[in-house]
Amino acid sequence: GNSVTQMEGPVTLSEEAFLTINCTYTATGYPSLFWYVQYPGEGLQLLLKATKADDKGSNKGFEATYRKETTSFHLEKGSVQVSDSAVYFCALSDPLLSGGYQKVTFGTGTKLQVIP
Amino acid sequence: EAQVTQNPRYLITVTGKKLTVTCSQNMNHEYMSWYRQDPGLGLRQIYYSMNVEVTDKGDVPEGYKVSRKEKRNFPLILESPSPNQTSLYFCASSLGWGENTEAFFGQGTRLTVV
Repeated sequence: GNSVTQMEGPVTLSEEAFLTINCTYTATGYPSLFWYVQYPGEGLQLLLKATKADDKGSNKGFEATYRKETTSFHLEKGSVQVSDSAVYFCALSDPLLSGGYQKVTFGTGTKLQVIP
Repeated sequence: EAQVTQNPRYLITVTGKKLTVTCSQNMNHEYMSWYRQDPGLGLRQIYYSMNVEVTDKGDVPEGYKVSRKEKRNFPLILESPSPNQTSLYFCASSLGWGENTEAFFGQGTRLTVV
């Protein structure tokens, strides 16, 4: 079956440090890939996405590139801020399955803490 | 404002006492899902619905029921809650899933079963 593996956290960085959160996946077809962010006490919000190989998703200074050859979708940001402290989830969406429903599989989440 | 609303946000109940967590979306989305979030396990899908009166099991459906009588509402029902259902629950909706859609999540319901 499909799966998403993320690096374990928590990740603690100083403000303005470079961030990488690793994500690799296993899928049977050609999935779309997503990063969601969960701020304390809130639900998940879509951060960025990529729909095919070599696509780069970007938003709010975060970037991730869909690497089919390494089945990876690592999240990066050049300079983190305290306000980036949150839990980050990597996810994939399977190609069309029976009945038109495309299942989403989430990773376990990586907690990021940015200290001033 | 486009949103998914869950109620209640917090709930403490006793084993065996039936409960319902409500979920409502105002975006006319066809797809709705319920997830539970547990430490070290991430989000696991409980049930999903592709449209009114169309529901199906996700990865961890045991002990849960859902209904979709109206497009906007997708309640989660625990007929006889047990302590292993203590978790953080999220409802989500989207136009569809996959490359051209975004999932909108509710703020979560923290359930404790004692």
